[in-house]
Amino acid sequence: NAGVTQTPKFQVLKTGQSMTLQCAQDMNHNSMYWYRQDPGMGLRLIYYSASEGTTDKGEVPNGYNVSRLNKREFSLRLESAAPSQTSVYFCASSEGGDSYGYTFGSGTRLTVV
Amino acid sequence: QKEVEQNSGPLSVPEGAIASLNCTYSDRGSQSFFWYRQYSGKSPELIMSIYSNGDKEDGRFTAQLNKASQYVSLLIRDSQPSDSATYLCAARGSSNTGKLIFGQGTTLQVKP
Repeated sequence: NAGVTQTPKFQVLKTGQSMTLQCAQDMNHNSMYWYRQDPGMGLRLIYYSASEGTTDKGEVPNGYNVSRLNKREFSLRLESAAPSQTSVYFCASSEGGDSYGYTFGSGTRLTVV
Repeated sequence: QKEVEQNSGPLSVPEGAIASLNCTYSDRGSQSFFWYRQYSGKSPELIMSIYSNGDKEDGRFTAQLNKASQYVSLLIRDSQPSDSATYLCAARGSSNTGKLIFGQGTTLQVKP
C-alpha cells in the first residue's frame, strides 16, 4: 500500500523555468491538498481539491496552478519559478469527512536558483 | 484568518519524563483536532485525533481537548529519545471544505 506518492523528491530549477510536481494516492480519497513548508512558517496551503473535478485556492496560491487529473492524481505546476518558491512541498490526501486527518506524501525539496 | 498557535520550543525533557505539548485555536467552530509528528527531513505523520472534550489515550500518548478554552494538548508519557521530533497541531476549520489549519509546530528534545 503506497499511500501518497510524490515525484520528484528533489529538484533544482533556474529562475524562470517551469515544472510540474506530481502526486498520486491509492487510498480512494476524495480530497487532496498541496502545502509548502518553510522554516518558521509552518505548513501553508497552496491549493486543494475537495473532490474530483474541483480545485480551490488556499493561503498562498500566487505563482502556482493545479490540476486534479482524476480521483487519484493532483499535480502542482510552477509556470515561472522564482527563488521565493524554494521550499519543501507536500501533497496530502483525506477521505474528506470531519473525522479524517491527512495522509502526507514524502515531499519534494525544491530549490530555485 | 483562523489560526492555530503553538510554542515553537524547543521543549527539552529527560528520558522517561512526561512531555506536555500545547496548542490553542481561534476558530470556535472547529470540531476535530489532530496531532502530527514530523521527524527532521521527513513528512508529517498522524499520531492522534480528538473530537470530544476530555482525554483520549493511545499507548503512551494522551490528547486532551477543551473546547470552551479552545485548547488542545498532547501528553507523551515515558518519553524516549525516539520521540524527539516536531509536533504539529491541526484544527479542521468550521467551513465544509475539510481543510486543516496547522500550527507552526513544537520541537521536542528528549535527552537520554
